[in-house]
Amino acid sequence: QQQVKQSPQSLIVQKGGISIINCAYENTAFDYFPWYQQFPGKGPALLIAIRPDVSEKKEGRFTISFNKSAKQFSLHIMDSQPGDSATYFCAARGGNEKLTFGTGTRLTIIP
Amino acid sequence: GAVVSQHPSWVICKSGTSVKIECRSLDFQATTMFWYRQFPKQSLMLMATSNEGSKATYEQGVEKDKFLINHASLTLSTLTVTSAHPEDSSFYICSAGGVGNEKLFFGSGTQLSVL
Repeated sequence: QQQVKQSPQSLIVQKGGISIINCAYENTAFDYFPWYQQFPGKGPALLIAIRPDVSEKKEGRFTISFNKSAKQFSLHIMDSQPGDSATYFCAARGGNEKLTFGTGTRLTIIP
Repeated sequence: GAVVSQHPSWVICKSGTSVKIECRSLDFQATTMFWYRQFPKQSLMLMATSNEGSKATYEQGVEKDKFLINHASLTLSTLTVTSAHPEDSSFYICSAGGVGNEKLFFGSGTQLSVL
């Protein structure tokens, strides 16, 4: 299976709060898990990525948590700001170097 | 970080005409580039993998004669939508990566509208 399931579809978080987006995969051959941020009318921009031999990776306000046994990974955005309002995609890369994208989460940060 | 330039940002064309979209890696060489298609409020769907100096490989269901891909150099791949029709209207995005495509960088996308 090449599918990557992402939830929630949309998320509203108050400014300063923690935004959490979850993804699950089935293909154990995936070896690289990036998260992308996309603003309307723009291409996706790489936020942070993790390999399955690491359980957590943090870069600034963004943290990926990875659970290999459960085949799940999540993105946490700490101290969420209005500028973080965008669509977020998780993805997974297989041995053929192709990325399989999740369905996306539209995040809105409210004052 | 690495920069991928995509041009044009948007294009409007008449039904039956062909449109060419360019994707350039500005500060690195990309032996492989990827072309995606994205409909409004949907995810990115891989259309094809563009390989420098060889034929592109297309995903299942993508018409290779309609979406012509040329990867003539290590920094340039082009996607030509031939005989475009309104159903081809979409947001097209290219991506390229460095060694092993560990970090894929995306172009800014091209919004194609076919009238």
